[in-house]
Amino acid sequence: DAKTTQPNSMESNEEEPVHLPCNHSTISGTDYIHWYRQLPSQGPEYVIHGLTSNVNNRMASLAIAEDRKSSTLILHRATLRDAAVYYCIKAAGNKLTFGGGTRVLVKP
Amino acid sequence: SQTIHQWPATLVQPVGSPLSLECTVEGTSNPNLYWYRQAAGRGLQLLFYSVGIGQISSEVPQNLSASRPQDRQFILSSKKLLLSDSGFYLCAWSVSGGKMNTEAFFGQGTRLTVV
Repeated sequence: DAKTTQPNSMESNEEEPVHLPCNHSTISGTDYIHWYRQLPSQGPEYVIHGLTSNVNNRMASLAIAEDRKSSTLILHRATLRDAAVYYCIKAAGNKLTFGGGTRVLVKP
Repeated sequence: SQTIHQWPATLVQPVGSPLSLECTVEGTSNPNLYWYRQAAGRGLQLLFYSVGIGQISSEVPQNLSASRPQDRQFILSSKKLLLSDSGFYLCAWSVSGGKMNTEAFFGQGTRLTVV
């Protein structure tokens, strides 16, 4: 069961949007796409999740490709507090299997 | 509201000693429960998950075991620790059901150092 593929790191300027891509080409029709972020020495924090339609919440937006083989997490205005490792997860059944994640650096 | 408790926060244990990490969840019933391990500078590795009392699924063969003696209690154990067992151990829970259509909640973790 292949995990997701994400870039190792991305940089952004403060107050600018951040687009984090994720490839999940082996996704099945019932797998949800989850995003979590993790600060150093802390447990992961839920960001957003979706199945087929684009999703918005107070933290971010999730754009899911029509074929569901990829998705993009959008942080609309990055702040210094958004600097973290962001994990894209293909949730199969009851399991969340993490990949390597993307380290986001936010420059002031 | 639901909360998850995980302890201890840090632990230093000698090689060959036993291990017991406990995780409890409050404010929900019949949750899915998970144990993850994160080696230094790496991603999270799913070790065990449970969908009910006494129901444990192991993801990675190793010298660790898990038990769920009560609905909202999940225990990670080892009879003899190895140096490679060092890492950041995280417990998590989610609402029960066949699909992850809700978020998972993580504890604050236990940093284990085997010396």
